[in-house]
Amino acid sequence: AQSVAQPEDQVNVAEGNPLTVKCTYSVSGNPYLFWYVQYPNRGLQFLLKYITGDNLVKGSYGFEAEFNKSQTSFHLKKPSALVSDSALYFCAVRGGGSARQLTFGSGTQLTVLP
Amino acid sequence: NAGVTQTPKFQVLKTGQSMTLQCAQDMNHEYMSWYRQDPGMGLRLIHYSVGAGITDQGEVPNGYNVSRSTTEDFPLRLLSAAPSQTSVYFCASSYEAGSPYEQYFGPGTRLTVT
Repeated sequence: AQSVAQPEDQVNVAEGNPLTVKCTYSVSGNPYLFWYVQYPNRGLQFLLKYITGDNLVKGSYGFEAEFNKSQTSFHLKKPSALVSDSALYFCAVRGGGSARQLTFGSGTQLTVLP
Repeated sequence: NAGVTQTPKFQVLKTGQSMTLQCAQDMNHEYMSWYRQDPGMGLRLIHYSVGAGITDQGEVPNGYNVSRSTTEDFPLRLLSAAPSQTSVYFCASSYEAGSPYEQYFGPGTRLTVT
């Protein structure tokens, strides 16, 4: 069975500082990895994904994520946080091949302090 | 292009009542799914469909029923509502099942069962 762990329920960072939201995964075969963001009372929005190739993936709003196969991690990063980045972030994984289900982590609430 | 739409936005039910949550997409996506979001638990897959006439169970299917008669629509039926079904429900779609394509989410339905 595939699974995702987001070890931090809450991450606080000062505006202008770099931010990291952690994600580790477990899946059979090569993974497809995703990050989504949820603003209050809204649906999830896609940020970025890793399919294959370069381990550093760039996405929307200046976010990037680094795929590390040996550590089975896919941490989300941004060099300089904005107050508007405050939201709930979800990591998700789908196994390769014929796997049809996307499994989500429990989410990390990011708060960027002015 | 409206994307994924869901109705209603809010609903209050009494225990034992039934209702249907509507979901529609106008992107000609093959894959559609229903999730429920509960605090601290991320999103859990209820049911999914890989095309018209084809549905399958996800992680938490009990108490819910789905059908997919058209590519566009994927309604979720609560057969006999229970307080444990109080949650926020999200419908999502993607181009293909078992693929690296990201999912597009609707705005959600907030359901309270008393």
